[in-house]
Amino acid sequence: QVQLQESGPGLVKPSGTLSLTCAVSGGSISSSNWWSWIRQPPGKGLEWIGEIYHSGSTNYNPSLKSRVTISVDKSKNQFSLKLSSVTAADTAVYYCARRDYDILTGSTLISYWGQGTLVTVSS
Amino acid sequence: SSELTQDPAVSVALGQTVRITCQGDSLRSYYASWYQQKPGQAPVLVIYGKNNRPSGIPDRFSGSSSGNTASLTITGAQAEDEADYYCNSRDSSGNHYVVFGGGTKLTVL
Repeated sequence: QVQLQESGPGLVKPSGTLSLTCAVSGGSISSSNWWSWIRQPPGKGLEWIGEIYHSGSTNYNPSLKSRVTISVDKSKNQFSLKLSSVTAADTAVYYCARRDYDILTGSTLISYWGQGTLVTVSS
Repeated sequence: SSELTQDPAVSVALGQTVRITCQGDSLRSYYASWYQQKPGQAPVLVIYGKNNRPSGIPDRFSGSSSGNTASLTITGAQAEDEADYYCNSRDSSGNHYVVFGGGTKLTVL
């Protein structure tokens, strides 16, 4: 059973950089999956931030692309998120997740989620 | 298009059937996946592909799709089904990213 665990500071100052890491256990980050970051502001819906493949290929949400960097460390079986120039609007629960494809239809599914970590942007 | 639209709230009487819908252009090309989220918890996948349930998901949950609309149906809703439900799909415009619907709050009366 794949498990994901987010870690990182729970408080970030405005204009600073949010940095989170997701440790993957029970499976290899080099498997044929995309490793995603998703966030959820308090009381609001889910927003996909971006993802990375073990090769280092990335896809980002166009609305966040200029501020986001996702990287992978295969030796540690983990991947990371950096979000720069943060404001209060970036306050959210941040989830890491594994994205898969349905073999029959090519449709996407997010089969494993971390428990989420709340990051607050405040001075 | 990269948008998926859901009704903000739906209610159902205990034991009755409810359908939660998701609309978007990408759904003409790809099936939606559906997630249940209870307060303070991470989302849980309940339906994916044409109509597939992960292990452990009750068979009262089912999925369907027609045109640009995907539906999640709960047949015989239980009190524990009260939650937020989100749909999710790939973008179909050639951009490699993922989109979520805005979510539907399901109340079981």
